[in-house]
This record gives sequence, structure tokens and C-alpha cells, in this order.
Amino acid sequence: AQTVTQSQPEMSVQEAETVTLSCTYDTSENNYYLFWYKQPPSRQMILVIRQEAYKQQNATENRFSVNFQKAAKSFSLKISDSQLGDTAMYFCAFMKHGPDSWGKLQFGAGTQVVVTP
Amino acid sequence: DGGITQSPKYLFRKEGQNVTLSCEQNLNHDAMYWYRQDPGQGLRLIYYSQIVNDFQKGDIAEGYSVSREKKESFPLTVTSAQKNPTAFYLCASSTRGGSNEQFFGPGTRLTVL
Repeated sequence: AQTVTQSQPEMSVQEAETVTLSCTYDTSENNYYLFWYKQPPSRQMILVIRQEAYKQQNATENRFSVNFQKAAKSFSLKISDSQLGDTAMYFCAFMKHGPDSWGKLQFGAGTQVVVTP
Repeated sequence: DGGITQSPKYLFRKEGQNVTLSCEQNLNHDAMYWYRQDPGQGLRLIYYSQIVNDFQKGDIAEGYSVSREKKESFPLTVTSAQKNPTAFYLCASSTRGGSNEQFFGPGTRLTVL
């Protein structure tokens, strides 16, 4: 079974600054996907960024980027130029690749990010 | 607009009663999922379905039941056997294959009185 660990329950960052959220996972799989989801106070889950394990290049989506270290089983999220709207709970998630994955996601416990003016 | 709807947004139940949470999607997705969210525990998978008339138990299926009679609908019943049902429930859907990006509904907050 896979486990996903987010060791930072809460982080605070000032507007325009950068914050990095950590995520580690445990798996024996070689092919898989990793995701970061955002859950703002509305509680609507929104996909932030996705990484395929077979790709060495780190994924980037505007101000959001990841540092994927496959050997270390680490998948951190960097939020640059933080905005007040980035205040949310951020979840790291793991999915096996292949038909037997059934598309199931394994989530970490989440990191609450608070952006202050 | 395509999306996932969950109803009701808030639900109150007396102990010993069964209650059904609705989840509907018009994204033409084959796969649908139910998650439970508790403070400090992230999301945990209750049930999932890859195709109509078929579904599988997730990690915490005890005390819950589902049906998948239509592609668009995946209702979740919280039975009286669920010992601690107060939680936030999220429904999601995805296509089959590929990275299976899951799209989430707005959630239902269930409180047992």
C-alpha cells in the first residue's frame, strides 16, 4: 500500500513571497502520478498541478511548480509570488499507473497555507 | 456548464437513521468516487465505480453503501451501522485511463444529532 506524508500542518507566508510545501510518499511502484490539490475555504477541491513519474522534467503551472525527486520519493510544491487567494489547504496525492489502479487517489493529511498581507 | 453537483450542502441526521447523499455529474465520466474528509486526516476513499452497475469498496467502506444504476449518478447511503458518520463527504469523477484527473463536487456536510 502507498502512504503519503505531509509533515507541515500549517505554513504562513506574506504576499508576494515564496513558500514551499513538502510531500513524501512510500511506494514500490515505478510508474505513477503525483498531484497537488488545493481546497480553499469554500471546500471545493481544485487540481493545482500534476506530475508523471516517468517524466524527469518538473511540472510548472504559472506560479506553481514542483520539485520531483523520484529516488528520494519527494514531491514538494513551490508557490511563488503568493497571493491572498492562495490561502487554502493543500493536499498531496498519489495514484498508481495502469488499469489496476482504478484511478484511486491516496491523499496526505494536508498543509494549511495562510497568506498574510 | 459541465460539472458535479452534490446535494444537499448540509444534512442533519438522528442517530439510527439511514441517509442518502446525492452525486450527479454531466461530464460523461465513467468513473466516480466517494471520499470522506475529517480534520487532520485528508481524504479517505469510501467507494468507487469504474462503470455502471459495478463498484468496489475503498479503504473505509464499512457502514456505507452505494449504487451505480446510471452513468451520471452515484448516490452514497450512510447507514446506521456507521459509528461516526459526522464528516464532510466529497464526490469525484474522472475519465478512465491516463492520469485519471479527478474532478470534485462541492461536498456535503453531514452532522449526526
